[in-house]
Order: sequence, then structure tokens, then C-alpha cells
Amino acid sequence: GNSVTQMEGPVTLSEEAFLTINCTYTATGYPSLFWYVQYPGEGLQLLLKATKADDKGSNKGFEATYRKETTSFHLEKGSVQVSDSAVYFCALHGSSNTGKLIFGQGTTLQVKP
Amino acid sequence: GAGVSQSPSNKVTEKGKDVELRCDPISGHTALYWYRQRLGQGLEFLIYFQGNSAPDKSGLPSDRFSAERTGESVSTLTIQRTQQEDSAVYLCASSVQGYEQYFGPGTRLTVT
Repeated sequence: GNSVTQMEGPVTLSEEAFLTINCTYTATGYPSLFWYVQYPGEGLQLLLKATKADDKGSNKGFEATYRKETTSFHLEKGSVQVSDSAVYFCALHGSSNTGKLIFGQGTTLQVKP
Repeated sequence: GAGVSQSPSNKVTEKGKDVELRCDPISGHTALYWYRQRLGQGLEFLIYFQGNSAPDKSGLPSDRFSAERTGESVSTLTIQRTQQEDSAVYLCASSVQGYEQYFGPGTRLTVT
């Protein structure tokens, strides 16, 4: 079945450091891929998405490229801020399922000033 | 406009009691989803409603769990005879079919 695997956290970085959070997936067909973010005390929010191979999703300085050849959707940001501290979830929406999202286990990012 | 709302925000219950969790989706969203998030883990899909179609119940962990939705309105997730392993945050999301899901703030359930 479909699944998503994320790098384990927590990830601790200094402000302005480069961020990569790895995400790989297993799916049949052509899934859509998402990154969601959960800030402390807040609900889950969509950060970015990509719906087909080689698409790049971007938002708030974050980017992720849908790589079908490596079944990956790694999240990157060139210069993190303290306000980026949150839990990040990679997820997929299968091309043949009923619409449910399959989530990775989440990666906690802590950015220190 | 208003987002997805859920109530209660927190619920503490004794083992063996029944609980009802409520979700108000965004107006016009035909699809509604329930997920469970255990501490330190990702979200697990529970159930999906799409319009008047039969719901996808494939994620419900046991027959103690059930959910209802009337048309495109409010949904209720019911857990009967709660167990300690049911302690989690229960998240509801809604969407226009095929588009991104918008999540509510969740209900934190603690079973003592």
C-alpha cells in the first residue's frame, strides 16, 4: 500500500542555516505530494504541494520538488528563522484512492537564535 | 470565511465511557475526513465522507468507532467504551473533492 517515510527528528538548527527534511514515498500510480506544517498550539496547515513529476512546490521560502525517479519530495529552505520552528509532515494523496492523505510521522524543527 | 471548527477542544473521560466529537466543515466542502494523531506520531486516516456516497470506513481501528455525517454538514465521531489507547488528538478536515484539505484545530481526547 501507499506509505510515506520522513527523516526522524528533532532537527535543531541555528537561525539562517540551510534546512533539508527528507521525505520518500511508496505509491502506485501518480500521487500528489504535500508538506503540511503544525506550529506550536495551532492546527495543521498546508505549506506546499506538487501534483506531478518534476513539479516544484514553494511557499514562504520553502521548496520541494517531486522526484519520481527517486520517489522523493524533500523539503528545503535556504535560511531558516526562529518562527519556522514547528512540526513538518510529508503526505501523499494517491491517484486511485478515495481522497485520504497518507502522512509521514512528522519531523520536529527547532530553530535557535 | 470561517475555517473548519471542532468541539470540544479538549475532552477528558474515564475508561469505558462513550464520547462524541463534532466537526463543522467549511461551507460548500463536499468531502470530510477524520484523522487521529497520537503523541509524537503522524496522522492516521479514520474515515472519509463524500457527498451522499457511502463513506470510506477503512481506517476505523475497531467497531467501537463510528461516524456520521448528514449531507454536506456537521459530522460526529463517536467512540464507545473508550480505552486508554484512544487518547490522541482527533482532527477533522474538509475539502472540495480533489482539492486540498483544510484541517480543524482538533479535539484532544484523554482517557483516564
